[in-house]
Amino acid sequence: SQTIHQWPATLVQPVGSPLSLECTVEGTSNPNLYWYRQAAGRGLQLLFYSVGIGQISSEVPQNLSASRPQDRQFILSSKKLLLSDSGFYLCAWSAQGVGTEAFFGQGTRLTVV
Amino acid sequence: GNSVTQMEGPVTLSEEAFLTINCTYTATGYPSLFWYVQYPGEGLQLLLKATKADDKGSNKGFEATYRKETTSFHLEKGSVQVSDSAVYFCAQSNRDDKIIFGKGTRLHILP
Repeated sequence: SQTIHQWPATLVQPVGSPLSLECTVEGTSNPNLYWYRQAAGRGLQLLFYSVGIGQISSEVPQNLSASRPQDRQFILSSKKLLLSDSGFYLCAWSAQGVGTEAFFGQGTRLTVV
Repeated sequence: GNSVTQMEGPVTLSEEAFLTINCTYTATGYPSLFWYVQYPGEGLQLLLKATKADDKGSNKGFEATYRKETTSFHLEKGSVQVSDSAVYFCAQSNRDDKIIFGKGTRLHILP
């Protein structure tokens, strides 16, 4: 069966520090991968998605970047965190094809102080 | 661009009441439509889905019908329970593989 791992679960980082959140998927090949941010009153905001290795689409101009160095690995990064980067970050995957649903990791609560 | 709009919450109902959470979408072409649920302290999980017009998705007593003419996918349940208290998200996916979510609707069910 397929599983998705996302870590860490919680993170407190100072302003100006770098960020690296990692997400890996097991039990499937060539998944679509997604990073979302969940903020109160703003729902689930799609940040990045990827349909293959090295293929990243950015949805919202911001202080973050994403990379997909391996087929089932998706990394969310920042060189210098801002206070406004605080939030709940969720990784998800879906199978290739029309109408396939997304499966979510447990999320990372990021607090920038 | 593609988008999903769902009713603002929170929605507060008494147990056994009828539930409707409205969801409308804008899209090029014909997207697949989903409802996800997030229970307190848990991650998101798929509740139901529909992949073409007039399809009805159903699960755990919840239903939603894909209405192309009104670009809607409203979530309904005939008799809610306290355990249905959660945040509900409407979402769409299109041929570009993007999955876009609405802002979510928090549901409180009172015993």
